Amino acid sequence: GAVVSQHPSRVICKSGTSVKIECRSLDFQATTMFWYRQFPKQSLMLMATSNEGSKATYEQGVEKDKFLINHASLTLSTLTVTSAHPEDSSFYICSARDFSGQGENEQFFGPGTRLTVL
Amino acid sequence: LAKTTQPISMDSYEGQEVNITCSHNNIATNDYITWYQQFPSQGPRFIIQGYKTKVTNEVASLFIPADRKSSTLSLPRVSLSDTAVYYCLVGDWIGDMRFGAGTRLTVKP
Repeated sequence: GAVVSQHPSRVICKSGTSVKIECRSLDFQATTMFWYRQFPKQSLMLMATSNEGSKATYEQGVEKDKFLINHASLTLSTLTVTSAHPEDSSFYICSARDFSGQGENEQFFGPGTRLTVL
Repeated sequence: LAKTTQPISMDSYEGQEVNITCSHNNIATNDYITWYQQFPSQGPRFIIQGYKTKVTNEVASLFIPADRKSSTLSLPRVSLSDTAVYYCLVGDWIGDMRFGAGTRLTVKP
């Protein structure tokens, strides 16, 4: 199946700094990518839908000025957590869909990025 | 978007067959049913997908009744490594996928 990568896999930063997380579709083009956040022992929560060449669509309650999403190419979307605070510490997961028409209607997930804000 | 309901947790023993049922009463005509597996600190991994009747692959089977208001993921002869959270998702080709609470499966020796 298709592969989605994330970088970095884990990051520790000081409160007030900004952190960028990259999500790449390695062997397919993804016009749409999704960003999720997952707190310990909880399910994945959809944060935003990232669309190549246009503004991201944020879920209710997610601050677009705090979680900046850029989808500059068909294989790369980035999530920047600005002015991070300890409550932003979480597991961030991206996913992408391969709309090439081959195979199943599968959403491919990245391995996740563990963010710890001190 | 169709909401899904699954048992919060299930216990099983090695070698047994495990069936996890998901309710999705408001499933739409264009919606598919997809199951994912997630281990701690990893992204979800695709298990199986179906639209109606029965689908089988090398790791699982998916049973979907005619009314499609529920589905059952069947894992044959589970092992300790199958301990994970299993999510049932319902959605169409282009929409986003929203996760419910999932089912935490614990396989005991």
